[in-house]
Amino acid sequence: AQSVTQLDSHVSVSEGTPVLLRCNYSSSYSPSLFWYVQHPNKGLQLLLKYTSAATLVKGINGFEAEFKKSETSFHLTKPSAHMSDAAEYFCVVSDPPTTSGTYKYIFGTGTRLKVLA
Amino acid sequence: NAGVTQTPKFQVLKTGQSMTLQCAQDMNHNSMYWYRQDPGMGLRLIYYSASEGTTDKGEVPNGYNVSRLNKREFSLRLESAAPSQTSVYFCASIIGLAGGRTGELFFGEGSRLTVL
Repeated sequence: AQSVTQLDSHVSVSEGTPVLLRCNYSSSYSPSLFWYVQHPNKGLQLLLKYTSAATLVKGINGFEAEFKKSETSFHLTKPSAHMSDAAEYFCVVSDPPTTSGTYKYIFGTGTRLKVLA
Repeated sequence: NAGVTQTPKFQVLKTGQSMTLQCAQDMNHNSMYWYRQDPGMGLRLIYYSASEGTTDKGEVPNGYNVSRLNKREFSLRLESAAPSQTSVYFCASIIGLAGGRTGELFFGEGSRLTVL
């Protein structure tokens, strides 16, 4: 089975400085990878996804991530943090297809981003 | 377009009570999922359904049952609730992509369950 590791449970940055949230995965095949964001007491919103097209993926709100197969990483970045970016971020990897033909999605344990004024 | 709708949004149960969480999607997706979210543990898969009439266990199925009533609806039942089932529950669905690549999960807003 696939697995995903988010290397930091908490990250603090100052407003206007870059954001880096790290994600490593293990996979025996070519997975799809996703980043989701969850604001306090809200549902999960897709930030961006990698599905075997361009390795540099651009998402919403200025976020982007680069798929690096040699490093098995999919780190999330943003050039300049905004107060509204404070939230929890989840890296997600897809399992290979099941016998029933669908996919399971494995979540990392999350990184809570704090943005300081 | 409602997307994925979960009910109820909040529920308090006593130990041993039963309840059903309802989920419906209007996007004509084939696959549906139930996750639970606990602090520091991310989202863990309880059950999933590839299509109407099929269900499979995920990572943490014990204490739960599911029903895929039709293509739109996928319910999660707690037969005898325990305090360890206090959690936030999310329903999700996906659409497949061409060539077998996976699409993204679409989530409901969550159901917060407390078991006393």
